[in-house]
Amino acid sequence: IAGITQAPTSQILAAGRRMTLRCTQDMRHNAMYWYRQDLGLGLRLIHYSNTAGTTGKGEVPDGYSVSRANTDDFPLTLASAVPSQTSVYFCASSAGLNTEAFFGQGTRLTVV
Amino acid sequence: GQQLNQSPQSMFIQEGEDVSMNCTSSSIFNTWLWYKQDPGEGPVLLIALYKAGELTSNGRLTAQFGITRKDSFLNISASIPSDVGIYFCAGFGGATNKLIFGTGTLLAVQP
Repeated sequence: IAGITQAPTSQILAAGRRMTLRCTQDMRHNAMYWYRQDLGLGLRLIHYSNTAGTTGKGEVPDGYSVSRANTDDFPLTLASAVPSQTSVYFCASSAGLNTEAFFGQGTRLTVV
Repeated sequence: GQQLNQSPQSMFIQEGEDVSMNCTSSSIFNTWLWYKQDPGEGPVLLIALYKAGELTSNGRLTAQFGITRKDSFLNISASIPSDVGIYFCAGFGGATNKLIFGTGTLLAVQP
């Protein structure tokens, strides 16, 4: 069982470029989340989706967009990357609200 | 926005010592989760708490859901070197019911 798969594992990106981070889960979980992790700031919620077809903004949504066309996939797009978006990005999923969330291995993104 | 205050920020202990860390919130939470993160890895769930007052153990780990629903603690007994890592509390609740995280506790264990 794969659980949650993120791709790519790492990426160096030129500022101004568009980038999509991929996240796929095979647990048929309803809810999915994107977090960024920066040193000393813990994990901050970017966007989330409670069920396929719906999305919502987290704590730090600016500069990011998401879509949830189906249950399994929850891509995160940076339309025009900036250096402040250099971070480690984690995708997570949970069966629903108020249930435990499981994480992918992360994508390390460097914007130069 | 909602905040989870986690303390201490870091702990440096000797192998065999017990450890305690806690999280507090300004709003009520419905679920408390405790995670551990190793370097270069994603967070891994340790314990999930669903009811106020609930006390749950997982091996040497014990966590409690505070009776006010605004706090939780995690205890690690008889620490070992592989306990090293960053521990995060997380919770669903408050006005938005989103899953938010504390800032983490860095644990270092000296053999």
